[in-house]
Amino acid sequence: DQQVKQNSPSLSVQEGRISILNCDYTNSMFDYFLWYKKYPAEGPTFLISISSIKDKNEDGRFTVFLNKSAKHLSLHIVPSQPGDSAVYFCAATTLINNDMRFGAGTRLTVKP
Amino acid sequence: DAGVIQSPRHEVTEMGQEVTLRCKPISGHDYLFWYRQTMMRGLELLIYFNNNVPIDDSGMPEDRFSAKMPNASFSTLKIQPSEPRDSAVYFCASSLSGFSSETQYFGPGTRLLVL
Repeated sequence: DQQVKQNSPSLSVQEGRISILNCDYTNSMFDYFLWYKKYPAEGPTFLISISSIKDKNEDGRFTVFLNKSAKHLSLHIVPSQPGDSAVYFCAATTLINNDMRFGAGTRLTVKP
Repeated sequence: DAGVIQSPRHEVTEMGQEVTLRCKPISGHDYLFWYRQTMMRGLELLIYFNNNVPIDDSGMPEDRFSAKMPNASFSTLKIQPSEPRDSAVYFCASSLSGFSSETQYFGPGTRLLVL
């Protein structure tokens, strides 16, 4: 049961342009969402998060948008840099159940 | 702090053999998580501990999988007997206070190949 879905397994973007990574979820009980970045041969590292009481959270070049009615969130990277090339995982959790689910990941390639 | 430490980094074994993966969480972190990453399913939570006590093992795929945390600085994930479909990268992560109020810090992972 894939409660968190990242339907694009890969994305290629030119350096300097915007990268938009999408994530959909099915469980309306999720109230906290996170994005992780993973380089080859390393563990995932936390990137940015958003609570369900917000619809936007920004941290430097990274912005996460949450659309609760559509059960959709997205990660925007502007401007994209070659060092952003990695696999990005979307994750969702509930405060009550402590049940965390991850998407399958999207491999972002930023071309110089 | 050295971060979350996992060993071995790579493991190749034959079907039917016992496999033990090890994890040392960040000192002071009360939560420890074991995840499995595969191409098809992405990251899956297998089990997590709070103060060395297993809280939720509903993600453990079968009875062949077991996890222990004998003390605050060490945990093991054991597969016995191992099967080729267990081939994946296994991550350990730790955090100060659970899933949502604090981020999780992941180890580098153990890449397991069962032949």
